[in-house]
Amino acid sequence: AQSVTQLDSQVPVFEEAPVELRCNYSSSVSVYLFWYVQYPNQGLQLLLKYLSGSTLVKGINGFEAEFNKSQTSFHLRKPSVHISDTAEYFCAVRTSGTYKYIFGTGTRLKVLA
Amino acid sequence: DVKVTQSSRYLVKRTGEKVFLECVQDMDHENMFWYRQDPGLGLRLIYFSYDVKMKEKGDIPEGYSVSREKKERFSLILESASTNQTSMYLCASSSPPRPEKLFFGSGTQLSVL
Repeated sequence: AQSVTQLDSQVPVFEEAPVELRCNYSSSVSVYLFWYVQYPNQGLQLLLKYLSGSTLVKGINGFEAEFNKSQTSFHLRKPSVHISDTAEYFCAVRTSGTYKYIFGTGTRLKVLA
Repeated sequence: DVKVTQSSRYLVKRTGEKVFLECVQDMDHENMFWYRQDPGLGLRLIYFSYDVKMKEKGDIPEGYSVSREKKERFSLILESASTNQTSMYLCASSSPPRPEKLFFGSGTQLSVL
């Protein structure tokens, strides 16, 4: 069965510092990978996605993620965070040929002034 | 602009009540989903629907049912609400040929007393 692991439940970081949010998945078949962001009192919105091709994907707001098949990881990075990046971030996986998305437990990013 | 609308932002119900959570999308999407979001558990799929009158159980369907009589509307029903169903409920939709992006509503915070 598929699963998604986000080991860090909370990540505090100072403004303008780099950040990496970790995501590992388990699946024996081809997958699509996503990062979603949830700002306070809002629904989730898509940050970026990996479907195929280049393993480095760029998303909105300066975020990027790298798909590593051998390590079954899809870590999210940003070289310099802003206060406005404070939110909860969810990694998700969908197996090719299905409609079902599996989400991780989320990582709360807190950007400190 | 695309929109997924959930009828209530906050809802308070008593144990044993029958509860209806409504979700409407204006994008003519085939697929619709109901998730519940709990701290530390992330998003868990309750039910999804890939067409009118078609539905499939997700990971935690017990105590819930769904209805999709029209393409734009997907209802989640709690037959007899219990306190352990207190949660944030998120509706989402997606559509081929771009099934990879889920569009989320802003959520319904349900409290069962």
